Amino acid sequence: KAGVTQTPRYLIKTRGQQVTLSCSPISGHRSVSWYQQTPGQGLQFLFEYFSETQRNKGNFPGRFSGRQFSNSRSEMNVSTLELGDSALYLCASSGGFPTYEQYFGPGTRLTVT
Amino acid sequence: QQPVQSPQAVILREGEDAVINCSSSKALYSVHWYRQKHGEAPVFLMILLKGGEQKGHEKISASFNEKKQQSSLYLTASQLSYSGTYFCGTPSNTGNQFYFGTGTSLTVIP
Repeated sequence: KAGVTQTPRYLIKTRGQQVTLSCSPISGHRSVSWYQQTPGQGLQFLFEYFSETQRNKGNFPGRFSGRQFSNSRSEMNVSTLELGDSALYLCASSGGFPTYEQYFGPGTRLTVT
Repeated sequence: QQPVQSPQAVILREGEDAVINCSSSKALYSVHWYRQKHGEAPVFLMILLKGGEQKGHEKISASFNEKKQQSSLYLTASQLSYSGTYFCGTPSNTGNQFYFGTGTSLTVIP
């Protein structure tokens, strides 16, 4: 089975711009979660999508949004970028019951200047 | 609600054992363990449900004490390949978020 893929792998954006990140889950997985990883805050949950619906959401401002398509591919959008948004953005797919294990993609390294 | 892990960092020689602890201020219903090597994505190790080990990985095992709201990860006879940052993770009480712990950096040296 192919693993979770994320594109692009690296991005450099300017404050105020917006960015869209893409994630393709493992075939058959319907749940996709997004995380932000920074040295200071660690791994923080952004949101989870399941069957095209946002099922869960973390404590991030509304500038962070996402969506999921019928083929389970997911996109994450950040508008009005701030310097503090610089981070590694990881997506993870899960097959759910019984183990609920999450398979992570390699991440997108976003740098905001 | 982020679980707290201890120690923050540990250095071992090959063959030595280590224990990583994960504590939560809230009730734990399940605990996941992941390992992230430098520059790589986290990799699932195991999940523990209601006091029992669900799955093992190599010489790594874990326990889950629901009453104490703690989980411990045991690494025996450590190998160089065990180096990385270990995270515990748990769903929130309402199940609508997933919280990763503060992380433990483990370095195994020859």
